[in-house]
Amino acid sequence: EPEVTQTPSHQVTQMGQEVILRCVPISNHLYFYWYRQILGQKVEFLVSFYNNEISEKSEIFDDQFSVERPDGSNFTLKIRSTKLEDSAMYFCASSRFMGTEAFFGQGTRLTVV
Amino acid sequence: KNEVEQSPQNLTAQEGEFITINCSYSVGISALHWLQQHPGGGIVSLFMLSSGKKKHGRLIATINIQEKHSSLHITASHPRDSAVYICAAEETSGSRLTFGEGTQLTVNP
Repeated sequence: EPEVTQTPSHQVTQMGQEVILRCVPISNHLYFYWYRQILGQKVEFLVSFYNNEISEKSEIFDDQFSVERPDGSNFTLKIRSTKLEDSAMYFCASSRFMGTEAFFGQGTRLTVV
Repeated sequence: KNEVEQSPQNLTAQEGEFITINCSYSVGISALHWLQQHPGGGIVSLFMLSSGKKKHGRLIATINIQEKHSSLHITASHPRDSAVYICAAEETSGSRLTFGEGTQLTVNP
């Protein structure tokens, strides 16, 4: 069964460093999303991406964050100059069409020390 | 901004019991999603519905658009159903999901 895959599963980084979280969405999906979940809190929307551009972003998604689809399969989230409060589980999701079911990856646990 | 509220926050049941988890939201939506999150953190989509009722195995999801309310039912609950169940509202088609806090379900044998 097709699935969304995320790498790495866990990343530890020093404060101030840049990290890139990687996602491979389901191959025939057109819409891509990043969400994050700080430990003990609810899942929060970061950004949605369609047709090689951001279609919507939340107030959390400031200049520290960027997304890219560098090739036909990967979808990445870059976090520049990481802060302690960026520690969270980051989920990638994809959907085939607008308004169809979203499939989630297993998440990348980011720990900033 | 949509507010999504779930109840209860925690639920403990005995194996075999019928489970109901409730979700309410504050503004009109195009779809309501029910998701399951296991202890490892991974999220699995259970249902996406915009009206009526959907059933998959022992799971049933209903939505009342007028009352802005949805319920997830689990019949004949089993310890393997233990997980966090999350509802999420999609305000316009293809847009962001706004998540509830989640309901931690524990089913004891």
